[in-house]
Amino acid sequence: GAGVSQSPRYKVAKRGQDVALRCDPISGHVSLFWYQQALGQGPEFLTYFQNEAQLDKSGLPSDRFFAERPEGSVSTLKIQRTQQEDSAVYLCASSRGQGARETQYFGPGTRLLVL
Amino acid sequence: AQSVTQPDIHITVSEGASLELRCNYSYGATPYLFWYVQSPGQGLQLLLKYFSGDTLVQGIKGFEAEFKRSQSSFNLRKPSVHWSDAAEYFCAAHLVNFGNEKLTFGTGTRLTIIP
Repeated sequence: GAGVSQSPRYKVAKRGQDVALRCDPISGHVSLFWYQQALGQGPEFLTYFQNEAQLDKSGLPSDRFFAERPEGSVSTLKIQRTQQEDSAVYLCASSRGQGARETQYFGPGTRLLVL
Repeated sequence: AQSVTQPDIHITVSEGASLELRCNYSYGATPYLFWYVQSPGQGLQLLLKYFSGDTLVQGIKGFEAEFKRSQSSFNLRKPSVHWSDAAEYFCAAHLVNFGNEKLTFGTGTRLTIIP
């Protein structure tokens, strides 16, 4: 079956531009997570959705980062006024049940480069 | 502070040799523990997980991990590595902080296989 997909796979943005990253989770998965992975680092948690509800956004680094999942399936991570330190791979993961203890299935990521 | 530590940034192993990747966690209780593998351009794939019970956990691709409470460790092992095992390996723990639960990852260990 289809796994988690993300688009675009690569994004180059000029500093100050807004970007939108899309995640298509596995069909029927309740939970959706966004992570940021800087070069040479492990993924860092950004935010968590249970269906359409954003239950935890404690990992979002600033108010320039915004995520939504309006219909409880596809999610979009938006970064406003991008900065160079936003350059990273953004990973999306989904899981069947609720919470972070369930096995998470990861997408291939979107590599964002801010010039 | 709650954290996951992978002491080895890079490990080189000969094909057919045994492998052990180290992982330690810092947490007030026994967390749920995971090992993921990330190949270039691929999303993270779950190798195995520990929730409770038998401290020796079997995973996919011939990997196993042993949970040792006294050492706060969850080391990954494989008796005989194959060239296709070359990848980045991440240990992760399900940690709860002020009611927010999330997966916390280590910084990863890059595995190189030599003929």
